[in-house]
Amino acid sequence: DGGITQSPKYLFRKEGQNVTLSCEQNLNHDAMYWYRQDPGQGLRLIYYSQIVNDFQKGDIAEGYSVSREKKESFPLTVTSAQKNPTAFYLCASSDGAAPFDTDTQYFGPGTRLTVL
Amino acid sequence: SQQGEEDPQALSIQEGENATMNCSYKTSINNLQWYRQNSGRGLVHLILIRSNEREKHSGRLRVTLDTSKKSSSLLITASRAADTASYFCATSTTGRRALTFGSGTRLQVQP
Repeated sequence: DGGITQSPKYLFRKEGQNVTLSCEQNLNHDAMYWYRQDPGQGLRLIYYSQIVNDFQKGDIAEGYSVSREKKESFPLTVTSAQKNPTAFYLCASSDGAAPFDTDTQYFGPGTRLTVL
Repeated sequence: SQQGEEDPQALSIQEGENATMNCSYKTSINNLQWYRQNSGRGLVHLILIRSNEREKHSGRLRVTLDTSKKSSSLLITASRAADTASYFCATSTTGRRALTFGSGTRLQVQP
């Protein structure tokens, strides 16, 4: 059963703590993405990776870090430097080899992070 | 930054009616995509229209794209209660696979 999984579904963090959100895909996709969604808002890009061992900052990368050591996995760490981390975090993947004008993204179910 | 802005922000209709949502964007695009999000869930891809296309259909969905006006519309015909969700447009720009999303339209279909 192909798809993208994210864990945990809900995550609570105390101020000053780092937390890591998991994202795994078995679609054999090269490209992976992390987005943040605030209530009633659209998605904003945090980081993306076109290929293993390479990643690029998105529009709101400050206070976040990522790694891409395996094709299937793209974990996101929310550091204590992120001033307002409470949000819904969505991971996505895409073929990456498809032409730019036809590349579509597949999303995981999301992780809701709350800072206590 | 938000590339796309959707209009209206919220829409409430009766089952069987058509729903139209509009999206405007700011820069040149490779493609424009529409996604659906049920409350608290991930996004589901609905349809993609390339910058050289003007109209596309998929089942009860019809998407139009006007690159001269930098705008797109999504029409859902014969709506059903199950269509209740938020709908987002997203654009892909030159040299960047990552998408830029609009703020979304919340559609409520009353049974």
